[in-house]
Parts: sequence; structure tokens; C-alpha cells
Amino acid sequence: EAGVAQSPRYKIIEKRQSVAFWCNPISGHATLYWYQQILGQGPKLLIQFQNNGVVDDSQLPKDRFSAERLKGVDSTLKIQPAKLEDSAVYLCASSSTGAAGNTIYFGEGSWLTVV
Amino acid sequence: GQNIDQPTEMTATEGAIVQINCTYQTSGFNGLFWYQQHAGEAPTFLSYNVLDGLEEKGRFSSFLSRSKGYSYLLLKELQMKDSASYLCAVRDDGSNSGYALNFGKGTSLLVTP
Repeated sequence: EAGVAQSPRYKIIEKRQSVAFWCNPISGHATLYWYQQILGQGPKLLIQFQNNGVVDDSQLPKDRFSAERLKGVDSTLKIQPAKLEDSAVYLCASSSTGAAGNTIYFGEGSWLTVV
Repeated sequence: GQNIDQPTEMTATEGAIVQINCTYQTSGFNGLFWYQQHAGEAPTFLSYNVLDGLEEKGRFSSFLSRSKGYSYLLLKELQMKDSASYLCAVRDDGSNSGYALNFGKGTSLLVTP
């Protein structure tokens, strides 16, 4: 079974530029998550989708971050304009549903450096 | 909201046993997860507890006490490859955040020869 796929793996941009990350969840997984992990810290939830609807985006900095999952499968996370503090790993994860007990599986992450 | 605490770093010797503690304070609770994360890699699932008690999986065991807001991950017969960060995560009850996981900062474990 293929895992969660993410691209690009690495990206370096200048501050105020924009960047987009793509995620393809495990086949059949209805729930998709984007987490931000700053070096030395645990992952922080940015947004959770159930199919193509947003369940929770309370921690997404909406002035610069946006995410979509138009057809309920792939998802894109965009940052525009980027700030230095956005340097982090962006982890996409998926689970079969959002219900308790279902394991969340992570992709390898997209590493962003803002200079 | 949730407050999840775990030690920042631990060191242990190959072949030994190590216990990584996690305490949490949550407004809602629907399970506690442990993930392992090697440097530069994605977190991988280790264990899940929703009821009090011990769950054993080979060399790894995880314990939960809901009344104390406490869990630990026990690693036996440590191997060099166990050097990694161990993340404690609590699942919300779904009332606000759709059962997403909230993570602690992770415990960096170094296994020495």
C-alpha cells in the first residue's frame, strides 16, 4: 500500500515569495491533515479536511496560509507571502476517518527554508 | 486546549530499558498516541492507548492513566537504531477539532554503545 506522498521534498525561497506544497493521501483515506513542525518541536496542526470540507483550521494563519482539497483527494497548502518564521517541515497526514482510534499516517514532509 | 509535557532529552545505553514519560492536561480526551521520528523523517506510529493500563508490542510498551493524565513509553533491549525523537500525542474528543492529534514537543533519545 502506497503511503502519503508529498512534494516538493525541499524548497528554499526568499521572504515575501510564495510557495505551494502538494499532498496525495493514502488511497481511500477521507481525512487529511496538514501539520507544521518547527525544528525541535512537535508537529502543530494547521488544517484538517474531511473529504473536501474543512473540519478545523483554527490554527491556520489565514492572512498568509491557504489550503484546499477540491475533489476530496489531493490537497495543496500555499504560503503567500512567506516569512522567516515559516521555515519548518510541512507534514501531510491522512487517516481513514476522523474518528477516535484511527491511526494517522504521515508523509515524509516538505522542508521549507525561508531566507 | 491541551498542554502536553515530556522531557526534552534522554540518554540510555544499548541493551538497557528506558521509560519516557508524558503528562497531559486536556479539555477533552479520546486516546493517547506515541510516534517515533528519526531525524529528517516522518513520524511513524508506535502505539495507541484509550483505556487505562499497559499495551505491549514487542520491545515497546505504552501505559496510560487517564485519572492522572499520565502516560509512558517503555523501550526494552535498546538498540542503536532506537535513537530518535519520541512524540506523545493526545487525541481531542472531536467537539472542537475533529479528532486531530495534538503533539508534545518530543523527547530526543540517544542510545549509546
